[in-house]
Amino acid sequence: KQEVTQIPAALSVPEGENLVLNCSFTDSAIYNLQWFRQDPGKGLTSLLLIQSSQREQTSGRLNASLDKSSGRSTLYIAASQPGDSATYLCAVDSAGGGNKLTFGTGTQLKVEL
Amino acid sequence: DGGITQSPKYLFRKEGQNVTLSCEQNLNHDAMYWYRQDPGQGLRLIYYSQIVNDFQKGDIAEGYSVSREKKESFPLTVTSAQKNPTAFYLCASRVQGGGQPQHFGDGTRLSIL
Repeated sequence: KQEVTQIPAALSVPEGENLVLNCSFTDSAIYNLQWFRQDPGKGLTSLLLIQSSQREQTSGRLNASLDKSSGRSTLYIAASQPGDSATYLCAVDSAGGGNKLTFGTGTQLKVEL
Repeated sequence: DGGITQSPKYLFRKEGQNVTLSCEQNLNHDAMYWYRQDPGQGLRLIYYSQIVNDFQKGDIAEGYSVSREKKESFPLTVTSAQKNPTAFYLCASRVQGGGQPQHFGDGTRLSIL
C-alpha cells in the first residue's frame, strides 16, 4: 500500500528566503506526482504535476523535482512572499492504485514580513 | 468558466439525520472523487466513480453513499451510520486514465448540531 510522507509538518521563514518542501513515497511504481496548494477553508489548487518519466517541472518561482527510484520529490520555492503562506500537499498517482491519489499530510508554510 | 461547484459551503447535521453534499462539474471529466479532510491529516478517499452508473469504495466508505446518474454530478450522502461526520469534504474530478491531474472544488464543511 502506497504511503506518502511530508516533512516538515510546518515551516516559518522570512520573506525573500528560498525554501524546499519534501515529499517521500514508499512505492516507486507511479504514474505521476502532483503538488497542491491549500488556503485555509478552501479546496486544493494544482501547482505542478510531474509525470513518472520526468525529472522536474517549473512554473514561475516554483520548481518540483522527482526521483522515482528513491521515492522522493521536492518543491522549491524561490524568493518566498507572504502570499505563499498556505498548506502544500503532495499526492501520488500509483500504477496499482486504481486511478486514485494518495496524499501526504501537508506542510503548513508561513512566510513572514 | 469550467470548474467544480460544491454546495452548500457549510452544512449542519442533527443526530440520526442523513445529509447530502452536492458536487457538479462542467469540465466533461469522466472520473469524480470524494475526499474527507480532518485537521492535521491528509485527504482520505471516500468513494470514486470512473464512469456514469458505476462507483467504487475508497478507504473510508463506511457511513457514506453516492450515486452517479449523470456525468456532471456526483452527490455524497452522509448517513446516520457515520458517527463522526464532522470534517471538510472535497470533491474532485479528472480526465479518465493515469497521468491526468485532479481538479478540486472549494469544499463543504460539515458539522454536528
